[in-house]
Amino acid sequence: KAGVTQTPRYLIKTRGQQVTLSCSPISGHRSVSWYQQTPGQGLQFLFEYFSETQRNKGNFPGRFSGRQFSNSRSEMNVSTLELGDSALYLCASSLVPSGNTGELFFGEGSRLTVL
Amino acid sequence: DQQVKQNSPSLSVQEGRISILNCDYTNSMFDYFLWYKKYPAEGPTFLISISSIKDKNEDGRFTVFLNKSAKHLSLHIVPSQPGDSAVYFCAASDKAAGNKLTFGGGTRVLVKP
Repeated sequence: KAGVTQTPRYLIKTRGQQVTLSCSPISGHRSVSWYQQTPGQGLQFLFEYFSETQRNKGNFPGRFSGRQFSNSRSEMNVSTLELGDSALYLCASSLVPSGNTGELFFGEGSRLTVL
Repeated sequence: DQQVKQNSPSLSVQEGRISILNCDYTNSMFDYFLWYKKYPAEGPTFLISISSIKDKNEDGRFTVFLNKSAKHLSLHIVPSQPGDSAVYFCAASDKAAGNKLTFGGGTRVLVKP
């Protein structure tokens, strides 16, 4: 069974640009969550999608957005990039958005560097 | 506002001995707690969890203890093995938050052969 696939794995952008990251969940999983990992802030929740609807959102500015498609694949977009957006962006999938099973499967992440 | 804290950034232990990782939380709404392990260049993988209605959960070499009154949980690894060397994150959630997990900053564990 294929795991969570994130693309691209690495990318470099400059300030002011925008970026789109993609996540394909495990087959059959309908919930996709996004997290940002930085050395200073650790792992922080960005948002969660289930059945193409955003269910929850973390404390990030509106420059961070996402969506989920009918096949459960998800994308997140960051516009007007800032240096502080440099981070590892992790996608996680689960069957349902219960939060109480621990069955949250993470991808390997997309490492974004903003110059 | 760090709602979940892991105060020890690193831990070194001899192979075969016990590793004890600690985690404190402040939000009394949290009702489910999890530990994840992360190797370099990989995403976190689920290790073990505990519901707030329990005070202990065991899975093989891994045991998680929860002290609700102290808002403290710990992960015990016995015996520690070199393959356990990784960064360990504790995380917490509440029923209303779905898959929104609040993570601690992580503890890097090094198990020496």
